[in-house]
Amino acid sequence: GAVVSQHPSWVICKSGTSVKIECRSLDFQATTMFWYRQFPKQSLMLMATSNEGSKATYEQGVEKDKFLINHASLTLSTLTVTSAHPEDSSFYICSPSSQGKNPYEQYFGPGTRLTVT
Amino acid sequence: GENVEQHPSTLSVQEGDSAVIKCTYSDSASNYFPWYKQELGKRPQLIIDIRSNVGEKKDQRIAVTLNKTAKHFSLHITETQPEDSAVYFCAASIPGGGNKLTFGTGTQLKVEL
Repeated sequence: GAVVSQHPSWVICKSGTSVKIECRSLDFQATTMFWYRQFPKQSLMLMATSNEGSKATYEQGVEKDKFLINHASLTLSTLTVTSAHPEDSSFYICSPSSQGKNPYEQYFGPGTRLTVT
Repeated sequence: GENVEQHPSTLSVQEGDSAVIKCTYSDSASNYFPWYKQELGKRPQLIIDIRSNVGEKKDQRIAVTLNKTAKHFSLHITETQPEDSAVYFCAASIPGGGNKLTFGTGTQLKVEL
């Protein structure tokens, strides 16, 4: 397997504020990072894909100016939810990927539960 | 893009019985099909996977079958136990692009005593 950490594990913020979520791959270099969002009792939905050092590619319907992704190094990626609203309350999961480690398997962070009040 | 459908959405079985969950995918280029178990509030956990060059794979009580022609794959759990109760997701990925996964809608499995 792989060691992936995510911080914070849960956060409560007020509407209109911004929240930053960090994802670290601790024992391998992630050339690609996927960010997923999961609403209660629903599946994981891909939000965006980023490659180290380049801009993220966002899935249809995901606002790039609202969900800022930074993948500045091979071991760290951040997702910032700007001007958060209650409808952004969700479980956010990062998934680093490396062709070198295993060309098929994906690894997941433990997730961040965001609640916007 | 890829579309993955999963059935049933809920499944209730008696302890010791078998459980089967089915998925279909749309893109014939997909070549990797993992199955995940997710407990409430936790990350998805890979339980078994299969690549497109294989028709069946088994790991103790868990097996996966793949029919490339029909573009469907299934998860089989035998001798179910209460600790098997969770949400199960199938997924499919197309080669390249870091193996982006498209997930099925999930199956809530409940194993009753």
